[in-house]
Amino acid sequence: ELKVEQNPLFLSMQEGKNYTIYCNYSTTSDRLYWYRQDPGKSLESLFVLLSNGAVKQEGRLMASLDTKARLSTLHITAAVHDLSATYFCAVVNSGGSNYKLTFGKGTLLTVNP
Amino acid sequence: GAGVSQSPSNKVTEKGKDVELRCDPISGHTALYWYRQSLGQGLEFLIYFQGNSAPDKSGLPSDRFSAERTGGSVSTLTIQRTQQEDSAVYLCASSLLLDSYEQYFGPGTRLTVT
Repeated sequence: ELKVEQNPLFLSMQEGKNYTIYCNYSTTSDRLYWYRQDPGKSLESLFVLLSNGAVKQEGRLMASLDTKARLSTLHITAAVHDLSATYFCAVVNSGGSNYKLTFGKGTLLTVNP
Repeated sequence: GAGVSQSPSNKVTEKGKDVELRCDPISGHTALYWYRQSLGQGLEFLIYFQGNSAPDKSGLPSDRFSAERTGGSVSTLTIQRTQQEDSAVYLCASSLLLDSYEQYFGPGTRLTVT
């Protein structure tokens, strides 16, 4: 059974600081997603990572994927208050049922002034 | 263009009643997915449709849950004899094809069972 673990689950940081959220998964996968969720809202797609060594950046967020280590990171650079949200990683099992997303528990990020 | 829509946005029901949740996918998307988000369980996959067919129903939590999709478009998730543990946000997503990289999520239906 595919398991996805995120850490930390809670992250409080100051504006201007850098930090990294980690996402580990238990079985081979060829596709990893990062989503953002604001309170009371649905999931907004941030990144789709498809291959080993993939790196994608959008604004202050950068995501990377190491399929050999089964690890993805979401790096936050010079955080601003607007980044406060819950961030989820999700993995597609590269086995037969490669349509279902298995999610981590999410990281609640709070950026303080 | 229009995204995935869900209705109702909020539903409060009494324990033991049946509820129907509706999902309208993005036009032209052949694949449709239902997920549930609750405090205790996080985000869980429930069921997917390819066209009108749901090949794998193993994610449904119990036989009180059922889902159908008609005309390759609208889907309905039905929960019979609701229980308090069914309280959650039910999210629908769609993708162009079953194996498309992107799943687009709707706003969700918040179900509260009293």
